[in-house]
Amino acid sequence: AQSVTQPDIHITVSEGASLELRCNYSYGATPYLFWYVQSPGQGLQLLLKYFSGDTLVQGIKGFEAEFKRSQSSFNLRKPSVHWSDAAEYFCAVGANGKLIFGQGTTLQVKP
Amino acid sequence: GAVVSQHPSRVICKSGTSVKIECRSLDFQATTMFWYRQFPKQSLMLMATSNEGSKATYEQGVEKDKFLINHASLTLSTLTVTSAHPEDSSFYICSAPGGSGPSDEQYFGPGTRLTVT
Repeated sequence: AQSVTQPDIHITVSEGASLELRCNYSYGATPYLFWYVQSPGQGLQLLLKYFSGDTLVQGIKGFEAEFKRSQSSFNLRKPSVHWSDAAEYFCAVGANGKLIFGQGTTLQVKP
Repeated sequence: GAVVSQHPSRVICKSGTSVKIECRSLDFQATTMFWYRQFPKQSLMLMATSNEGSKATYEQGVEKDKFLINHASLTLSTLTVTSAHPEDSSFYICSAPGGSGPSDEQYFGPGTRLTVT
């Protein structure tokens, strides 16, 4: 069955510290992988996506993610977190608009 | 970037009534739109695919007679929750693709919070 797992429901990091959000997926075909961020009152915004090529993808706001087929993972990273990064982060897999989302990870940033 | 709007942003209705939620692509056309449902502190679940000019396709377990979808034009899809009950209370989110490719970005609306009393 197709699924996405985000093991960490809630993460707290200090401003300026590095961040890694985990994502594991199960998908029958070659996956299209996405990371979205959801802020209160706003729609989900695409941070980055992977569908082929270089397994390290760069996104907006200084985020990057690495696709590791052997581990079925697509972890999101940022070297230095800003207070404005506090939000809900969703990993998703799918294609043609039909996305399967993980449970989401709430990121809290301490000053 | 492309913008998708939803109206209303928040609605409270009485049990047994119907509620319509609109999803509009403001600066692009979308022959397909998607409706998701998000429970508190949980993930988004795809409910259905809205197809302009034809019937919507529903995901397994979603009642098509409960959640009526109409894709009236290339910029508007509506979701009507019929005979709403408290268990229908949720956050409903629509999306529209920015292109026709399988990996094209989906643009999401800000969501509609439905509360059924």
